[in-house]
Amino acid sequence: TQLLEQSPQFLSIQEGENLTVYCNSSSVFSSLQWYRQEPGEGPVLLVTVVTGGEVKKLKRLTFQFGDARKDSSLHITAAQPGDTGLYLCAGARTGRRALTFGSGTRLQVQP
Amino acid sequence: NAGVTQTPKFQVLKTGQSMTLQCAQDMNHEYMSWYRQDPGMGLRLIHYSVGAGITDQGEVPNGYNVSRSTTEDFPLRLLSAAPSQTSVYFCASSRGGGTTDTQYFGPGTRLTVL
Repeated sequence: TQLLEQSPQFLSIQEGENLTVYCNSSSVFSSLQWYRQEPGEGPVLLVTVVTGGEVKKLKRLTFQFGDARKDSSLHITAAQPGDTGLYLCAGARTGRRALTFGSGTRLQVQP
Repeated sequence: NAGVTQTPKFQVLKTGQSMTLQCAQDMNHEYMSWYRQDPGMGLRLIHYSVGAGITDQGEVPNGYNVSRSTTEDFPLRLLSAAPSQTSVYFCASSRGGGTTDTQYFGPGTRLTVL
């Protein structure tokens, strides 16, 4: 059982559509990060959220950390083919130094 | 800066062989870590280091050894390769090791064990 469950696992949409990716856990996290990974490359950090209820915007991407710090979401507005990739959430449990990664959401945006 | 570099990019081993995956960073980061990525499993932490001379086990350490003799290098050794170790291996580094720090990942090593 994954500590961080991501849904959906796969998502294929048309350019211009909106989408939301979820990252859920039964554990409390002191912080959560979102990464994007393209084929053949390592993950690249998109954002870090540390406060329950926090919302961060990065151009067309909106990230939210749940009030109870057990879940997070990533919303993309007007998706573009350049958004295609594997989206990974990663959390740090209180008192732990290591990050735990979710299994990822693979997004395909068709032109 | 080259960032985080990993060699080799691809490797095929036979069961029982040993090898070392190399990882180096030129950002003077204290924290370095090794992950493996399997389909549907995300990234799982193998070993990590908070500074030269200090290493610790992650989530899936069995079958792997690490050492950290310098700040720059963090090699991962497979002692006796097994097919279950077929995976993509990523090395990462971050400034302080805090879990809000940005982790910089290398390009990965794709390992196949026959």
